[in-house]
Amino acid sequence: DARVTQTPRHKVTEMGQEVTMRCQPILGHNTVFWYRQTMMQGLELLAYFRNRAPLDDSGMPKDRFSAEMPDATLATLKIQPSEPRDSAVYFCASGLDPGAASPLHFGNGTRLTVT
Amino acid sequence: SQQGEEDPQALSIQEGENATMNCSYKTSINNLQWYRQNSGRGLVHLILIRSNEREKHSGRLRVTLDTSKKSSSLLITASRAADTASYFCATDAGGRQGGSEKLVFGKGTKLTVNP
Repeated sequence: DARVTQTPRHKVTEMGQEVTMRCQPILGHNTVFWYRQTMMQGLELLAYFRNRAPLDDSGMPKDRFSAEMPDATLATLKIQPSEPRDSAVYFCASGLDPGAASPLHFGNGTRLTVT
Repeated sequence: SQQGEEDPQALSIQEGENATMNCSYKTSINNLQWYRQNSGRGLVHLILIRSNEREKHSGRLRVTLDTSKKSSSLLITASRAADTASYFCATDAGGRQGGSEKLVFGKGTKLTVNP
């Protein structure tokens, strides 16, 4: 049963440290989305890619966040330096183009705690 | 900002009862999707309804869409304790006609089904 894999599942780090979250999308999916979920804001779209090219990262704080797809099997989300307000669950999801007209498949998320 | 808003924020019912959740959105859409999230897990796609459809069924799920009112509802019939989860609606966020890129989520309805 194909699924999106995210690592790590949990990450606790101190303020100022670099955090890298990884996502392996489902083979054959050409769109990848990064979302952040908090109680206050719900699910926020941070960035998304189609065929490995970044299409929109307007939801992402540019000064500290970066998202890349080094190859079709790996998407990364990096925070440098991390801050306590970055504490959240980060989800990766993959799907088929066009992204919003087909179901998205979500990973189980990375729960990030920045102290 | 969220495109879709679910109502109610929380719903508690007894097993066997029906559960109805509503979603309102602001701008024109091409399609609307409903997702379910169990605690500590990623979102799982339930059903997609296109803007030219008014109703769709999948097992015990029934989704309606009223584009004139910019609203949708998700009905779960004969609920079970295992239906306990958060339910989210998601809409495309005004991408190109016929196929949109972004999928924007509401904050969800937390459903509790008591045995």
